[in-house]
Amino acid sequence: SYALTQPPSVSVSPGQTARITCSGDALAKKYAYWYQQKPGQAPVLIIYKDSERPSGIPERFSGSSSGTTVTLTISGVQAEDEADYYCQSADTSDTSYYVFGTGTKVTVL
Amino acid sequence: EVQLVESGGGLVKPGGSLRLSCAASGFTFSSYSMHWVRQAPGKGLEWVSSISSNGGYELYIDSVKGRFIVSRDNAKKSLYLQMNSLRVEDTAVYFCARDDSTQEYLPYWGQGTLVTVSS
Repeated sequence: SYALTQPPSVSVSPGQTARITCSGDALAKKYAYWYQQKPGQAPVLIIYKDSERPSGIPERFSGSSSGTTVTLTISGVQAEDEADYYCQSADTSDTSYYVFGTGTKVTVL
Repeated sequence: EVQLVESGGGLVKPGGSLRLSCAASGFTFSSYSMHWVRQAPGKGLEWVSSISSNGGYELYIDSVKGRFIVSRDNAKKSLYLQMNSLRVEDTAVYFCARDDSTQEYLPYWGQGTLVTVSS
């Protein structure tokens, strides 16, 4: 298995841009996926294959990748975007199936 | 519409057992691997176990190997997690999840069921 590291918290004012990074050596060869989780709820997929957005996810959510770091960008942050965000990648070894990042709490000021 | 509904959580003493269930609907259950992911109170997401579409392949996180058993009944469209020798550190919300056909990520999740291990 391997590790994916995220900053514990990001604070942003409404209308501004939030950027959340996820770092790990495996990301140089594997896609990253992003989930949003609000208190008491299940995670929701918001980005797949580094930068693709599932239907129904607002355009203000975008993803990018560079080397061993992927970035989730929330443009024009809204109060409803306050949540925990997790990156995830697949593990093709025989030790685990999925690896999740450490998680980032986004606070809208 | 894909739906996953977990049940079976509750309060159990250390060393006890619990069986979680996940009822699936809205897709061809027998065509997909299924997975359990947990989240301890105030903590992050942790993959726990996976089972292949026909049940022939299972995988577990090291901390539950030898204690947890994942299984499925494709006829009943149900996923199970038998949890034995439970420890305080197993306390978490347990989510059932279905993968994408590439098996690289989890687009569908249940609402979770809380397991509390405490004396």
